[in-house]
Amino acid sequence: KAGVTQTPRYLIKTRGQQVTLSCSPISGHRSVSWYQQTPGQGLQFLFEYFSETQRNKGNFPGRFSGRQFSNSRSEMNVSTLELGDSALYLCASSQEGVSTGELFFGEGSRLTVL
Amino acid sequence: GESVGLHLPTLSVQEGDNSIINCAYSNSASDYFIWYKQESGKGPQFIIDIRSNMDKRQGQRVTVLLNKTVKHLSLQIAATQPGDSAVYFCAENITPTIDGQNFVFGPGTRLSVLP
Repeated sequence: KAGVTQTPRYLIKTRGQQVTLSCSPISGHRSVSWYQQTPGQGLQFLFEYFSETQRNKGNFPGRFSGRQFSNSRSEMNVSTLELGDSALYLCASSQEGVSTGELFFGEGSRLTVL
Repeated sequence: GESVGLHLPTLSVQEGDNSIINCAYSNSASDYFIWYKQESGKGPQFIIDIRSNMDKRQGQRVTVLLNKTVKHLSLQIAATQPGDSAVYFCAENITPTIDGQNFVFGPGTRLSVLP
């Protein structure tokens, strides 16, 4: 069974640009969560999607958005990039999306904003 | 986003010794906790989980202890091996009353295994 796949693995953008990151969950998993990881702030929850609906949202500005497709694949978008958005963006999937489900993480998309 | 600290604690242990990694969690209502291991360049990998109705859970070479009175988790690794070198995170689900995932992660502890 393939794991969680994130693309692209690395990307460089400049301030003011926007970026879209993609995540393919493990087959059969319907919940997809996104996390931002930085050395200063650690792992922080962005949002969770289940059956194409955003079910939970962390404390990030509206520049951060996401969506989920009918095949459970998910994308997240960051608009008007800032230097502080440089981070590793991790996607995680779980089987049923209930509050006690194990998260399976991808390897992440490392975004550098210049 | 929530602040989870600026400094990464480091634990150095000799190969073969036992390791104990500690974590303080924030929400007394959290009912589910997970320990993750993250190796360099990889995403976090599940190690073991525990629900709030338990005090202890054992896996292969790992044990998680939960003390709800002081909101404290610990991860014990027996006979630590070089492959255990990584950053370890605890995570709590802070929205136990509604469906879905909203995990808050601790700042992490870097475990270095000395030969």
